[in-house]
Amino acid sequence: LAKTTQPISMDSYEGQEVNITCSHNNIATNDYITWYQQFPSQGPRFIIQGYKTKVTNEVASLFIPADRKSSTLSLPRVSLSDTAVYYCLVGDRGNNDMRFGAGTRLTVKP
Amino acid sequence: DAGVIQSPRHEVTEMGQEVTLRCKPISGHNSLFWYRQTMMRGLELLIYFNNNVPIDDSGMPEDRFSAKMPNASFSTLKIQPSEPRDSAVYFCASSYSGAGDTQYFGPGTRLTVL
Repeated sequence: LAKTTQPISMDSYEGQEVNITCSHNNIATNDYITWYQQFPSQGPRFIIQGYKTKVTNEVASLFIPADRKSSTLSLPRVSLSDTAVYYCLVGDRGNNDMRFGAGTRLTVKP
Repeated sequence: DAGVIQSPRHEVTEMGQEVTLRCKPISGHNSLFWYRQTMMRGLELLIYFNNNVPIDDSGMPEDRFSAKMPNASFSTLKIQPSEPRDSAVYFCASSYSGAGDTQYFGPGTRLTVL
């Protein structure tokens, strides 16, 4: 099981770019990196998934260096509504042992 | 698709009572997950089904908890007897195939045991 480590909390201001880094030193060859977002009183919601290099969608970008021992979720120009907890998970598509960690609580201030 | 459906959304019960939480996964999804979330322990995986078969129930806290999936479109999580420490938000999620595939979460059931 690839363990992940993320900062417990981060603060930012509206309009800034936010980068949240996740460490996963023992990531396996078949593992993908997946990020979820959770707003208060809601279940987590899938944001983005990647294997290597860079993935971008309408919500975020995911940067994965060549050694894949870490990954960075990048949120461009955050707004107050991006205040949430962000979880990083690592595992292969058939992995039954993926677990949510404590996540990173992002607070966006006006 | 309506997404993952959970009922009830809120449940308040007294210690010792039986509680049953219900979940309807997204049609076509083969995997179903039950999670519990509290401030102290975060988001914990309780049990995971694949093709209606329980694959991993190592997260079920004790014998008071049981989960069933009689068919591909319905699952229940039962607590009997309930205790105040069971108070939490219980989420059901489903995915097409496995925990590594994108999981879609329901709105959760907020359980309060008095």
